Amino acid sequence: GGIITQTPKFLIGQEGQKLTLKCQQNFNHDTMYWYRQDSGKGLRLIYYSITENDLQKGDLSEGYDASREKKSSFSLTVTSAQKNEMAVFLCASSTDSNSDYTFGSGTRLLVI
Amino acid sequence: GQQVQQSPASLVLQEGENAELQCNFSTSLNSMQWFYQRPGGSLVSLFYNPSGTKQSGRLTSTTVIKERRSSLHISSSQTTDSGTYLCVLSGSFNKLTFGAGTRLAVCP
Repeated sequence: GGIITQTPKFLIGQEGQKLTLKCQQNFNHDTMYWYRQDSGKGLRLIYYSITENDLQKGDLSEGYDASREKKSSFSLTVTSAQKNEMAVFLCASSTDSNSDYTFGSGTRLLVI
Repeated sequence: GQQVQQSPASLVLQEGENAELQCNFSTSLNSMQWFYQRPGGSLVSLFYNPSGTKQSGRLTSTTVIKERRSSLHISSSQTTDSGTYLCVLSGSFNKLTFGAGTRLAVCP
């Protein structure tokens, strides 16, 4: 079986800081995603990538950059952390089939 | 407007009781799925169920496309069922649209 790994698990940043979150998968999945989860709300799509070096904006892309330099990895950058921001960022990957969708365990961000 | 609405928002059960979670969606879909998230944990796919009824152990999912609704039935609930259940629509490139979830607590 494969695994999808997110690092770091916890991230504390300062206001205005640039922060990078990483995600690796060994399923050989083509498509990878970054979602943001806020307390009491559903997940919202930030960026996704359908293949190496591809980037597509989701509903919440403002304030973020992403990079897919290899098929197996997808990184997300918070360009300028907002004070008191607190959220969980979830990475996922999938095949073309809707039934094969796997999430990482998340990176918990706190900005002080 | 909100595309995926789940009800109830939260639910408390005594162990052994059954639960019915509802999902209504306002757009046409490519497929719909149910995910489970333990507090502080990652998401696990329970059902990929674009239409009809599927069962896995004590869980049953029923999707009626023309009525734009799906339900998740949990029978004989256990404390380990506690967590958040998310109804999810998927569109092109498997982009997912999530409902806000139903938070379930099962008490011993």
